[in-house]
Parts: sequence; C-alpha cells; structure tokens
Amino acid sequence: EAGVAQSPRYKIIEKRQSVAFWCNPISGHATLYWYQQILGQGPKLLIQFQNNGVVDDSQLPKDRFSAERLKGVDSTLKIQPAKLEDSAVYLCASSPGRGPMNTEAFFGQGTRLTVV
Amino acid sequence: LAKTTQPISMDSYEGQEVNITCSHNNIATNDYITWYQQFPSQGPRFIIQGYKTKVTNEVASLFIPADRKSSTLSLPRVSLSDTAVYYCLVGDSYTGTASKLTFGTGTRLQVTL
Repeated sequence: EAGVAQSPRYKIIEKRQSVAFWCNPISGHATLYWYQQILGQGPKLLIQFQNNGVVDDSQLPKDRFSAERLKGVDSTLKIQPAKLEDSAVYLCASSPGRGPMNTEAFFGQGTRLTVV
Repeated sequence: LAKTTQPISMDSYEGQEVNITCSHNNIATNDYITWYQQFPSQGPRFIIQGYKTKVTNEVASLFIPADRKSSTLSLPRVSLSDTAVYYCLVGDSYTGTASKLTFGTGTRLQVTL
C-alpha cells in the first residue's frame, strides 16, 4: 500500500515569498491533516479536513496560510507571504476512519521549509 | 481538550524494559489514548491505542488504570533503534469525523549500549 506522498521534500525561500506544499493521502482516507513541526517541538495541527470539508482550522494563521482539498483527495498548503518563523517541517497525514476510536494516522515524510 | 503530561526525556540501556507514563487528568468519556513514535527526519508513526485496561501488540503494551487519568507505554527489551520521541495523545472526537490528534512535546528516549 502506498503511503502519504508529500512534495517537495525541501524548500528554501526568502521571507515575503510564497510557497506551496502538496500532499497526496492514502487512497480512500477521508481525513487529512496538516501539521507544522518546529525543531524540538511536537507537531502542531494547522488544519484537518474530512473529505473536502474543513473540520478544524483554529490554529491556522489565516492571514498568511491557506489550504484546500479539492475533490476530497489531495491537498495543498500555501504560505503567502512567508516569515522567518515559518521555518519548520510541514507534515501531512491521513486517516481512514470515523469516530473517536480511529486515532491511527499515517504521516508523510514532510517538507522541510527554510525561510531566509 | 484533554492535555497530556509526560517526561521530557528518559535514558535506558539496550535490553531493558522502558515504561513511559503519561497523565491526562481531564480525559473525556469518548477519548481514546494513543501513542506515536517519531524518528529524526520522519513523520510520527502510530504505535498503539487503547481505551481501558491493557492492550498489547507486537511492538508495545499500553496499561490504562480504571480511572483513565494516566497511561503507561511499555517497550519490552529496547534496542538502539528504539531511540526516538514518543508522544502520548488523547484524541478529541468530533461526531461523525475522525479524531483530532493533538501532540504535546513528547518524551525523548535515548537507548545506549
């Protein structure tokens, strides 16, 4: 079974530039998560989709971050404009199930973003 | 939102059993307890999940007391390759959707010879 695919693996941009990350979840997984992980910290949930609807985006900095999951399959996360503090690994994960007992999510390798 | 507290770091020798305890005093009735493992430069990986009592799989055991206010992840006979960060999660559930997975700072386990 193919895992969660993310691209690019690495990205270096200057502050105030824009960047986009792409995620292709495991086929059939209804739930998709985007996390931001700053070095030395645990992953922080940015947004959670159920199919193509947003379940939770309470920690997404909406003035500069946006995400979409058209057709309920793959997803893109965009930052515009980037700040130095956005330097982090951006992780995408997907999960097949519904309900409180479905807590197994499958993570991609992540995209390491460096803002200079 | 149930918060979790776990030790920042632990050290162990290869071959020993390691127990990592997590406290979650405000756990809700519907919440499951889940543990993830993360190696450097990789995304987290699901280890085990439980609701109450004891759960065991090929990788670990999870012990949950009756009051569910804490849980203990047990790794039998650790090896160097078990060096990683271990996260305890208590999932908030939404009706009809998958759980919200909130990660804390985790426990950094260092295994040495």
